[in-house]
Amino acid sequence: GAVVSQHPSRVICKSGTSVKIECRSLDFQATTMFWYRQFPKQSLMLMATSNEGSKATYEQGVEKDKFLINHASLTLSTLTVTSAHPEDSSFYICSARKSGGTDSPLHFGNGTRLTVT
Amino acid sequence: EDQVTQSPEALRLQEGESSSLNCSYTVSGLRGLFWYRQDPGKGPEFLFTLYSAGEEKEKERLKATLTKKESFLHITAPKPEDSATYLCAVLLSGYQKVTFGTGTKLQVIP
Repeated sequence: GAVVSQHPSRVICKSGTSVKIECRSLDFQATTMFWYRQFPKQSLMLMATSNEGSKATYEQGVEKDKFLINHASLTLSTLTVTSAHPEDSSFYICSARKSGGTDSPLHFGNGTRLTVT
Repeated sequence: EDQVTQSPEALRLQEGESSSLNCSYTVSGLRGLFWYRQDPGKGPEFLFTLYSAGEEKEKERLKATLTKKESFLHITAPKPEDSATYLCAVLLSGYQKVTFGTGTKLQVIP
């Protein structure tokens, strides 16, 4: 169990457009989901924490108006990169923690490779 | 400041050559430490959770241990398919979020 599906796996968009990435927990409910960004040969950097039904908490330096997060249900969170620019090109990975398991591990999707031209 | 450091950054082993990866942390209030494996272009795959010093977990050729200051991931008789980046991550008291180390890139040569 503990499968997280992330879609799309790859997306190419033009500068100035917006892109939405979906993250679904397929076989469990996730009160909390996390969005990470990973640059080549670097580790995961947390962007924001989203709790179902409430506003996301963004890490320092992450623009909340640029990276819109919605966690409308216990199995779905979305990240929308608004007015994307080439510097937003990166590997975005979502993760989810099972509801009720405050100390339990995160389970990750397979990431979305975003390229902004 | 809370820190999670992994060493070495990269490790190259011959098939069958056992070794250990290190994850050292200086944090206040550790609630849990996690090990993940990440293949290129994929999300991290969960391996182990350790909650208290002295705890050990095993899975196939991998064994994770935890002390008050560090964790080790021991790889016994590795195979080429064990090649990946191994990440450790910590969960701190009072926080929901998990902080990752920089990872160790392991290459096992046939």
